[in-house]
Amino acid sequence: KQEVTQIPAALSVPEGENLVLNCSFTDSAIYNLQWFRQDPGKGLTSLLLIQSSQREQTSGRLNASLDKSSGRSTLYIAASQPGDSATYLCAVHTGGFKTIFGAGTRLFVKA
Amino acid sequence: DGGITQSPKYLFRKEGQNVTLSCEQNLNHDAMYWYRQDPGQGLRLIYYSQIVNDFQKGDIAEGYSVSREKKESFPLTVTSAQKNPTAFYLCASTRTGGRDYGYTFGSGTRLTVV
Repeated sequence: KQEVTQIPAALSVPEGENLVLNCSFTDSAIYNLQWFRQDPGKGLTSLLLIQSSQREQTSGRLNASLDKSSGRSTLYIAASQPGDSATYLCAVHTGGFKTIFGAGTRLFVKA
Repeated sequence: DGGITQSPKYLFRKEGQNVTLSCEQNLNHDAMYWYRQDPGQGLRLIYYSQIVNDFQKGDIAEGYSVSREKKESFPLTVTSAQKNPTAFYLCASTRTGGRDYGYTFGSGTRLTVV
């Protein structure tokens, strides 16, 4: 059974710091992995989608990597800003209509 | 701009009452989903639909019902059989299968039992 874990559950950093968010999964047989941002009381906004054949994806200050063999994905945020404060979730698509979501990492960037 | 519209944003349910959450998309996506989000937990799948007039139970379908009469619409009814309905409900869609395309989510409906 696929399990997705995000550690830490919460993270506080000063503005300008580069940071890494982690997503671990137990079964390497995945189709893709998607990173989302969620602001309080809002829906999920897609940040990056990595196909199983890809190693990384980049969008602006965000870079997501995927290592299926070790069951890990990381989301790198460069030069963090207070506006980056949100909860970040990863989701692993395992086949058919089955996607497993992590519980998220709550990020707070201090000005 | 294309997207998913969920309404209402907030909904209050009395004991023994059925309530319906609306989800409409103009992305021309084939598949639609309903997820439930509780604090500190990952999203859990309630129901999903691949095509019109077809839908499948997810992991926590008990106490919920859906319909898919139009490609654009996938309403969720929370029935009185759902004993703990207070949660944040998210509707999502994907192109067929979701294998190569990611999810698009609506803004959510927060349901509270009063």
